[in-house]
Amino acid sequence: AQKVTQAQTEISVVEKEDVTLDCVYETRDTTYYLFWYKQPPSGELVFLIRRNSFDEQNEISGRYSWNFQKSTSSFNFTITASQVVDSAVYFCALRIGGGADGLTFGKGTHLIIQP
Amino acid sequence: NAGVTQTPKFQVLKTGQSMTLQCAQDMNHEYMSWYRQDPGMGLRLIHYSVGAGITDQGEVPNGYNVSRSTTEDFPLRLLSAAPSQTSVYFCASSYSHEGANTGELFFGEGSRLTVL
Repeated sequence: AQKVTQAQTEISVVEKEDVTLDCVYETRDTTYYLFWYKQPPSGELVFLIRRNSFDEQNEISGRYSWNFQKSTSSFNFTITASQVVDSAVYFCALRIGGGADGLTFGKGTHLIIQP
Repeated sequence: NAGVTQTPKFQVLKTGQSMTLQCAQDMNHEYMSWYRQDPGMGLRLIHYSVGAGITDQGEVPNGYNVSRSTTEDFPLRLLSAAPSQTSVYFCASSYSHEGANTGELFFGEGSRLTVL
């Protein structure tokens, strides 16, 4: 069975600071997909990124970047120059390849950006 | 383009009552799923479907029933509501790419259910 651990329950930083959200996953499958989702205070869930297990290249999208390291089973998410609008709960998730079922989510990290 | 639509957004039930949470998507996605979100627990998969007529259980299926008679609709039924089913419920759909589920979920806005 797979598992996703987000050890940081809550992080609070001041605006413009950089912040990294940690995600550690467990799976015995060699083919799998990792995801990050954002849930702002309004409650909807927004897809941010998907990464497959064969692609370890880091990805950058504006102020967001993701660091995937198979050696440590981690898929960390960094926000550079954080803004108040980044305040949300962020979920890391895992799905094994070839599976038709849903995602296994971590418990989420509540990120608070203070002005 | 409405995406994934869930109704109702809020519902209060008494223990033992039954109800159905409706979910519809207009993106012609093959895959649909239901999750529940509880404080400190993240999202947990209740049931999922890979296409019309095909459903399967997720991590926490007890007390819930689903059916998928069309590609668009995936209702979740609570057979006899219990206080432990107080939660926020999310319906999601996803599409396939090269025959496999991408896992990129499109979520509805959520349905907040309280069971007294």
